[in-house]
Formats: sequence, structure tokens, C-alpha cells
Amino acid sequence: NAGVTQTPKFQVLKTGQSMTLQCAQDMNHEYMSWYRQDPGMGLRLIHYSVGAGITDQGEVPNGYNVSRSTTEDFPLRLLSAAPSQTSVYFCASTIRLAGGAGELFFGEGSRLTVL
Amino acid sequence: DAKTTQPNSMESNEEEPVHLPCNHSTISGTDYIHWYRQLPSQGPEYVIHGLTSNVNNRMASLAIAEDRKSSTLILHRATLRDAAVYYCILSLLLNFGNEKLTFGTGTRLTIIP
Repeated sequence: NAGVTQTPKFQVLKTGQSMTLQCAQDMNHEYMSWYRQDPGMGLRLIHYSVGAGITDQGEVPNGYNVSRSTTEDFPLRLLSAAPSQTSVYFCASTIRLAGGAGELFFGEGSRLTVL
Repeated sequence: DAKTTQPNSMESNEEEPVHLPCNHSTISGTDYIHWYRQLPSQGPEYVIHGLTSNVNNRMASLAIAEDRKSSTLILHRATLRDAAVYYCILSLLLNFGNEKLTFGTGTRLTIIP
């Protein structure tokens, strides 16, 4: 069971470089999201998508772009990396549960360091 | 968004029950109460959720106060593998019926052998 797969697991960037964090899920979930987690803090929502072709901003979207061309993939792009984007990034997909609530499935995380 | 308040840390002895409290005094009538946990160097994983009634599953039980302003996650018999950060979260409904979860800083649970 692959679930939610994130790549790369570790990445070091220089300030101003760009990169894409990949996220793929094989559970056919419509809803996917990206979170970042900084030391001593909880997860903060960056962007989310409710289906292919539909994305929206979360709590901390600045400096990040997303797209959703397929149900399976939801990449997160850093156009010009800054040291403030040093963090651990988690991708998640959501399944609808009985009664209307959702359950999130998280990837293992991508640890990004920006020098 | 409604907020939750949890103790920063708790300790419990192995093989004893653990009660993790959460206050959410500004909860709205449609907010679900979710609990997730995060093991070291892993992504969060779902534990349990509920709306009004107490809930049980294979991992834990969730006790919800009658006024819904607080809840308690109960681990019936803690093991060393239960050492993690536990997050109590209220869900915010988005468009298309999907939810947004806002994570706080959680409770770090330490299990003493």
C-alpha cells in the first residue's frame, strides 16, 4: 500500500533557487493539501485542492505555487527559495468518512533546508 | 476558526490508561473533533474523530463533554509505541463539503517503561 508518496525526502537549496516537491497518492482521493511544520509548532496549511483543476490558498501560501492536473498528483513549487522556507513539508490526501467528516492520510514528509 | 487548548506535555506509565484533555470552548455546532498523532520523524496519523457522542475504535476512545466545549482522548493501555505528539483539532468545512483542519502545537506524550 503506497498511500501518499513524497519526494524528495531531503533537499538543500540556496537562496533564490527553485524546486518542486512532488506528492502522489494512489487512493483516488479528491482532496489533497500541503502543510509545513516548523520546530515547536503545529502544521500550517499552505495550499489545498478539492479536485483536478481546482486549488486554493491556505493559511501560509506566500512563496508557494501549486497545480492539480490529475487526481493523483499535487506538486508544490518554490519559485525563489528563502531561508524562511526551511521546514518540513507534509502532503496529505483526504477520504470522506461516514457522517461527513474527513480522514487525512499524510506522507512521510520532505525536509527542506534553504541556505 | 475555533481554537483548541491542550497541555504541552504529559507522562504516563506503560500499560496504564492515558487521558489526554482538550478544551475547545468556541466550538460551533458543525465542527467535528479530530485527534491525530505524530510519531517521531513521521507524518501525522489519524486516531479518532467525533461530533457529539463518545466514540471507540481499535486505537482509542473519545469522550466528548455534553456541552462539547471539551473532549478527552483515552488510550486504554499505553505502550511505548504510543509516545508521540497528540493533536486535538476542530474541522472547518470548506467548499464542496471538504474540511480544513487547523493543527495546534499538541500534547507531547511520554511513556515511562
